[in-house]
Amino acid sequence: KQEVTQIPAALSVPEGENLVLNCSFTDSAIYNLQWFRQDPGKGLTSLLLIQSSQREQTSGRLNASLDKSSGRSTLYIAASQPGDSATYLCAVSTWVAAGNKLTFGGGTRVLVKP
Amino acid sequence: KAGVTQTPRYLIKTRGQQVTLSCSPISGHRSVSWYQQTPGQGLQFLFEYFSETQRNKGNFPGRFSGRQFSNSRSEMNVSTLELGDSALYLCASSLSSGASTDTQYFGPGTRLTVL
Repeated sequence: KQEVTQIPAALSVPEGENLVLNCSFTDSAIYNLQWFRQDPGKGLTSLLLIQSSQREQTSGRLNASLDKSSGRSTLYIAASQPGDSATYLCAVSTWVAAGNKLTFGGGTRVLVKP
Repeated sequence: KAGVTQTPRYLIKTRGQQVTLSCSPISGHRSVSWYQQTPGQGLQFLFEYFSETQRNKGNFPGRFSGRQFSNSRSEMNVSTLELGDSALYLCASSLSSGASTDTQYFGPGTRLTVL
């Protein structure tokens, strides 16, 4: 059974500092890994998707790495801004019975202080 | 292109009642998945529908059911509501092309409160 863990559960940094968010998973047989952002009471916004064959993916200030062999992914957010305050979730995709299922970590709640 | 829409956005029900939630996927997407989000359990997979057929099911009791229509719109039903069913219910759509680039796009969710 796939289990996804995100540590720390909460993080507070001053504006301008780089953010490093960690995600680990127990089963390396994944299809892809997605990072999402969730604002309070809202749905999920997809930030980055890393295919299982890739090592990293970049979008603007965001960079995500994937090490399947060790079951780890890291999301880097450069030069954090107060608008980056949100909960960040990672989810691994496994192909089950010809369907796509996401298993989520518990999330890291980020606060960027001005 | 319009995103995933969910209706209603908020619902208040009492124990024992039943409720139906609706999800309209992104145009062209054939897969719709449902997730339950609670503070204690986080995000948990309920089920996935593809071409009007349930393809995967999570570990939830039979009170949770769903269906998908020919236009890919999906409904989720919860019967005999319990207090513990209070949660944010999210639906996600994807092309489900079988490619590892298959991205799931989430709707804004339906906040269900059971009193």
